[in-house]
Amino acid sequence: NAGVTQTPKFQVLKTGQSMTLQCAQDMNHEYMSWYRQDPGMGLRLIHYSVGAGITDQGEVPNGYNVSRSTTEDFPLRLLSAAPSQTSVYFCASSYGRAGEQYFGPGTRLTVT
Amino acid sequence: EDKVVQSPLSLVVHEGDTVTLNCSYEVTNFRSLLWYKQEKKAPTFLFMLTSSGIEKKSGRLSSILDKKELFSILNITATQTGDSAVYLCAVDDYKLSFGAGTTVTVRA
Repeated sequence: NAGVTQTPKFQVLKTGQSMTLQCAQDMNHEYMSWYRQDPGMGLRLIHYSVGAGITDQGEVPNGYNVSRSTTEDFPLRLLSAAPSQTSVYFCASSYGRAGEQYFGPGTRLTVT
Repeated sequence: EDKVVQSPLSLVVHEGDTVTLNCSYEVTNFRSLLWYKQEKKAPTFLFMLTSSGIEKKSGRLSSILDKKELFSILNITATQTGDSAVYLCAVDDYKLSFGAGTTVTVRA
């Protein structure tokens, strides 16, 4: 039981490049979400999903896309990276909608 | 807009001291309040509180919720250096809204 896994652990992008952050969970959780964490700002919700085929926007969705084709996977796409997207990104999952969430190890992204 | 405010932002204590962390909130559809501990990696779950006045306890950590005054406190007694971390408060109103966190540093 691996829990929530994220790849890559670190990534450096140039402004304008696109990439996908991968997130997978093997706990059969319906609810999955993506957060970004910036110094002094806690965790901010980017997008979330309450089940396969259903996604919704969180607090800071601009510049990011998500899809949920399976229960296990919830990738986050950066369409055209900007320096303001430099952050640590966490994926999380839970049995029900929100509530206690299990976090992945995070991806540290730097956009130059 | 939903708001979760934690105080203090940071504090430094010595081993054996007791610390009290505060979390106040304003959300539309409160379901629960959660506390997480973050040590340079992913947050790990500590407590989930749904009812006022009922203390949740785990070892030296305890937490209580006041739904009338819209706040929660997290207490750590007999602190140890391993308690050094960022403590995050989050409120569930069908999505989690996090506070900025309180950085606790415990000196030996």
